Amino acid sequence: DGGITQSPKYLFRKEGQNVTLSCEQNLNHDAMYWYRQDPGQGLRLIYYSQIVNDFQKGDIAEGYSVSREKKESFPLTVTSAQKNPTAFYLCASSIDRGMNTGELFFGEGSRLTVL
Amino acid sequence: KQEVTQIPAALSVPEGENLVLNCSFTDSAIYNLQWFRQDPGKGLTSLLLIQSSQREQTSGRLNASLDKSSGRSTLYIAASQPGDSATYLCAVFTSGTYKYIFGTGTRLKVLA
Repeated sequence: DGGITQSPKYLFRKEGQNVTLSCEQNLNHDAMYWYRQDPGQGLRLIYYSQIVNDFQKGDIAEGYSVSREKKESFPLTVTSAQKNPTAFYLCASSIDRGMNTGELFFGEGSRLTVL
Repeated sequence: KQEVTQIPAALSVPEGENLVLNCSFTDSAIYNLQWFRQDPGKGLTSLLLIQSSQREQTSGRLNASLDKSSGRSTLYIAASQPGDSATYLCAVFTSGTYKYIFGTGTRLKVLA
């Protein structure tokens, strides 16, 4: 089945550690996105990539890093510089790049908790 | 700067009722608007996508309308069922930004 796979589903991190969240899609989509969701707030964009080997900061990129070495993969690293990393992280993709990206599809999310 | 608002934040209705969820946005220069459903602890499921040139889209018991000039979209759910209980979010893709802006959602509970 085509879709977006995020792993792990749950992740616990000690303060000061970096963690990497995986996002893989087999939809042949060009654009991929990382969002953060906190209770009572809308989704906020962390990073997005419209093409392999290129990505742009979203609204809340500080303390996060990404890479886009393959079209199918867009991992997100939550670094120790992120002051409040406990949140629900969602990866998404869409078929187009640039203007009018078309329908957005999401993975099942990864919940990160800092101990 | 685009802002997306969804009212009400929460809604509780008896089973079988027809209902309307609202989404408003401040910048009418959008390429499309998408409605999603989110169950607790899960990702978002796409329900309907309306392109800027369209007025409405329908899928089963769901109908979404778009009025760009007034900055509004509505999601109409006919004959609601307990299985419709979820949070419904709308998102707009604004010209020149290359990203979707999300509302905070409406939490719907359909009582059996």
